Amino acid sequence: AQSVSQHNHHVILSEAASLELGCNYSYGGTVNLFWYVQYPGQHLQLLLKYFSGDPLVKGIKGFEAEFIKSKFSFNLRKPSVQWSDTAEYFCAVNAGEAGTYKYIFGTGTRLKVLA
Amino acid sequence: EAQVTQNPRYLITVTGKKLTVTCSQNMNHEYMSWYRQDPGLGLRQIYYSMNVEVTDKGDVPEGYKVSRKEKRNFPLILESPSPNQTSLYFCASSLRAAGEQYFGPGTRLTVT
Repeated sequence: AQSVSQHNHHVILSEAASLELGCNYSYGGTVNLFWYVQYPGQHLQLLLKYFSGDPLVKGIKGFEAEFIKSKFSFNLRKPSVQWSDTAEYFCAVNAGEAGTYKYIFGTGTRLKVLA
Repeated sequence: EAQVTQNPRYLITVTGKKLTVTCSQNMNHEYMSWYRQDPGLGLRQIYYSMNVEVTDKGDVPEGYKVSRKEKRNFPLILESPSPNQTSLYFCASSLRAAGEQYFGPGTRLTVT
């Protein structure tokens, strides 16, 4: 069965610090990968996605992620975080395996950025 | 405005009293899905639908039912709610299966 692991459950950073959130998935075939963000009191919205092509993808608000197939990873990065990046971040996978199209989400990482 | 709407946004009910949470999207999306979000567990998919009259189980379907009679609507039905179904529920839709999902605002359900 597919699974998604997010290693950091809580991260606290100061403004201007660099961010890297880890995400690993367990499926060995072709995958579509996503990072979603949930700001306090709001619903989830897409940060970025990877379907194919360049493994380094850029999303909104200066976020980027790198797909490393050999490591089954899709880590999220931002060079310099802002207070407004305080939110919960979710990695998600959809493999479309065997004719199913289930989405598997990680357990989330709560990021707190100190002003 | 393109959006996914859910109703109600908040619901407190008692064990065993049937309830329905509605979900509607105005983007002509084929794929729709229901999730529950619980602390420490992230989002877990309950059911999804690839198109009208096509539904399938996600990872946590027990105790829930869905139907997809129209493309825009995907209601979630709890025939006999129990306290362990107290959660935050999100509906989502995407143009196609395995695509980017658009989420509704969430429904906070409490079952006493």
